[in-house]
Amino acid sequence: NAGVTQTPKFQVLKTGQSMTLQCAQDMNHNSMYWYRQDPGMGLRLIYYSASEGTTDKGEVPNGYNVSRLNKREFSLRLESAAPSQTSVYFCASSERGVGYGYTFGSGTRLTVV
Amino acid sequence: AQSVSQHNHHVILSEAASLELGCNYSYGGTVNLFWYVQYPGQHLQLLLKYFSGDPLVKGIKGFEAEFIKSKFSFNLRKPSVQWSDTAEYFCAVSPFLHTPLVFGKGTRLSVIA
Repeated sequence: NAGVTQTPKFQVLKTGQSMTLQCAQDMNHNSMYWYRQDPGMGLRLIYYSASEGTTDKGEVPNGYNVSRLNKREFSLRLESAAPSQTSVYFCASSERGVGYGYTFGSGTRLTVV
Repeated sequence: AQSVSQHNHHVILSEAASLELGCNYSYGGTVNLFWYVQYPGQHLQLLLKYFSGDPLVKGIKGFEAEFIKSKFSFNLRKPSVQWSDTAEYFCAVSPFLHTPLVFGKGTRLSVIA
């Protein structure tokens, strides 16, 4: 039972490069989320998808785009990476709805130089 | 601004000591409340949750939390900590039930022998 799978686990980008972080869940959950974790800042919501076909901005959406490809997959794209986007990115999903418990992936550690 | 506050940034305890981590939130109305744990190098895992009913909630690994509505608090407790409890602990709140979780900044717990 894989749960929430994120790829890649580590990535180093140069400023201005683009990349897509992939997330897939195999639990048939309706809602999916992208958070970033920075030291001393906790987790901050970037974007979320309450259900297939919908996406909404979170607290820190600038510089990111998302795609809910299907019920299983929710990708996060950095169009032009900046050093301020150096962070650990976590994808999560929930079954009952956006206000209920989440299952997290193992994270992607991104460094932008 | 509405928020989730964890008062302790870093707590150091000896094994067998009792633990209480504070969490306060500033949202009015009905909320869903959570505590997550993140062991070093790992993703977040759900410790316990409160939706309604008995305000004293028991979770995994001997943790419990008490919801005090009048104080807007949801403090995490454990009677006797072990070295393996060394981790970062995050309080999270879903304001208004159907909105994504807002996380506190986390409390790092170090348990020493």
